[in-house]
Amino acid sequence: ETGVTQTPRHLVMGMTNKKSLKCEQHLGHNAMYWYKQSAKKPLELMFVYSLEERVENNSVPSRFSPECPNSSHLFLHLHTLQPEDSALYLCASSQDPPSGGINEQFFGPGTRLTVL
Amino acid sequence: DQQVKQNSPSLSVQEGRISILNCDYTNSMFDYFLWYKKYPAEGPTFLISISSIKDKNEDGRFTVFLNKSAKHLSLHIVPSQPGDSAVYFCAAFSGSARQLTFGSGTQLTVLP
Repeated sequence: ETGVTQTPRHLVMGMTNKKSLKCEQHLGHNAMYWYKQSAKKPLELMFVYSLEERVENNSVPSRFSPECPNSSHLFLHLHTLQPEDSALYLCASSQDPPSGGINEQFFGPGTRLTVL
Repeated sequence: DQQVKQNSPSLSVQEGRISILNCDYTNSMFDYFLWYKKYPAEGPTFLISISSIKDKNEDGRFTVFLNKSAKHLSLHIVPSQPGDSAVYFCAAFSGSARQLTFGSGTQLTVLP
């Protein structure tokens, strides 16, 4: 247990569906992240929230919409996704600025998303 | 273009021997580097890190070496154990960008 939980663990959705991924951290961190991991590719940073404000959006399509209502919770709202969006979506949290200079991010187990 | 590269997608090592995982990077402004380990159905977990001003950091069976002139780092695991079988990700942190950049990972298999 890393102190970061994600639900659901698996999700299958059609291209016209709307769904949301949820992430919760119990570590007292103030920064949260969404990453996408496709097979054989590096983890791709999608969104960064620090102190509940979005500080990074790495050119992610608008069909992905993040929400951070407080420092412990992070959502990723999904609508009209494409089959190529099928991937493992990972949430992480950290302290910002990092203590000791090391931005050690703690990851949740991920949501395995399949878009049909 | 990938700033952090792990050119070996997989590596097999006999139990008790040394495992060496390699990582190359292109951005000389990275402040420090981290290794993460990932088991199936789990998220990556932090393993060890090294500051860009150091050339070696050791923690038990794990040692990370940094060669700044070559923009190369490596993770050594000695002795390797079957429980070390996992995907290992190299990551680099830029303080100015405030984000981690990951490599594509190397699947390590330690054979009993």
